[in-house]
Parts: sequence; C-alpha cells; structure tokens
Amino acid sequence: QKEVEQNSGPLSVPEGAIASLNCTYSDRGSQSFFWYRQYSGKSPELIMFIYSNGDKEDGRFTAQLNKASQYVSLLIRDSQPSDSATYLCAVNKRSQGNLIFGKGTKLSVKP
Amino acid sequence: DARVTQTPRHKVTEMGQEVTMRCQPILGHNTVFWYRQTMMQGLELLAYFRNRAPLDDSGMPKDRFSAEMPDATLATLKIQPSEPRDSAVYFCASGLPPPWDARGTEAFFGQGTRLTVV
Repeated sequence: QKEVEQNSGPLSVPEGAIASLNCTYSDRGSQSFFWYRQYSGKSPELIMFIYSNGDKEDGRFTAQLNKASQYVSLLIRDSQPSDSATYLCAVNKRSQGNLIFGKGTKLSVKP
Repeated sequence: DARVTQTPRHKVTEMGQEVTMRCQPILGHNTVFWYRQTMMQGLELLAYFRNRAPLDDSGMPKDRFSAEMPDATLATLKIQPSEPRDSAVYFCASGLPPPWDARGTEAFFGQGTRLTVV
C-alpha cells in the first residue's frame, strides 16, 4: 500500500461547479496534511495545510480532515478554468519533518 | 521576494558524467528537501536536511547519489555516474518548522532542474 494515495484523474468539472479532490494515507501517526497545486511545467505551490479533524476554509478552498478514516480532501468552490492543474496531497509523518507526496490528481475545469 | 533558487534550470548530459545541482534555500529556513519528479513515480523524496544535518536520505540511491549542505545557504545534489533512468525534474524545497516540532514543515519549492541523461 502506498503511503499517500490519490486518484490520478483526470477529474473534469464545469466552470462554477465544486471540485472535490480526495487523498488517503496509510500511516495512522501522520499529523500534518498539505495540499499543493502544480501547473504543467511549474513547481508545486502550497495552497493549504490542516492539522486538526474537521474543516478549514480559505477563500474558495476548503480542506477536510478525518483522521479516523485516514482521509483528507480538498473542495474548490466556484471552480475556474485557472484552477486546472494537478493537485498534490502531502503528509507529514509522526516525529519526522519530511513530506511524503501522493502522485496527484489532475483537475480540468471546462468553461 | 523570498524564493528557493535552483541552478541549473536545465541540464543535458551524457551517461556516465557527473551532475551537480545546487539549491539556495529561503533565507532563515532551516529545513531543506530534495525531491525527484517523474510521470511514473510522481514526487519522490530523496533527502531531507534540518540545520544542515541529513535526517533522512533513505529515498536516495546511495551508490550514485549524494546530498550535502556545505553551509546554510547552499544545498547540493550530485549524481555520479549519471544514467538515463536519472532523467527527471529535481526539486529543492525549503521550510521552517512551526514551534511545535511534531507538526509538519510547509515546503516552498524552487523552480526545479530538468535533467536529461542521454
């Protein structure tokens, strides 16, 4: 089982819709969770992080964490074509500072 | 404008040659990561430093790869000898852990070095 798993997609949503991106992780001791966005040919950029169970909102983005189910998600409201990118989930393992990434989900927002 | 700087941006080399990639972390950041990204494997963690000390290099092929931090402003990743399977984009990222060490470090990425070994 991979440490961090994401559906590779592509996930296609119409402009204005809600895009839902999911991530599961295997290490129950994981404590910190990050969402990165990567445009084609560019480097990953941090969108959000979440440490506690529940929801965390930042503008059009909401991160959701359920540690019991070992599940993290990212919701993008009012999706725009400029949101089309690959979204990477990253997890910090217990007592370590390294970040383990999933392979990413490619999102396509159609005008 | 604080950013992670990587050089070179692109490198084409012949199999068997030594390759050195350099990274200047964001000033004040004490954590440096090296990642390799390919279509097949995604982002793989190669090595990780905190306060210039290597904490985890288990993802790095030891026989040909080496990573060092000669000082706080420079991290290097060397491949010797290089092989075609090393062709990938290599990213350096830096970060500063929050006061609670148990929490994760946000990593800020450089623009990457695209390596092609022919």
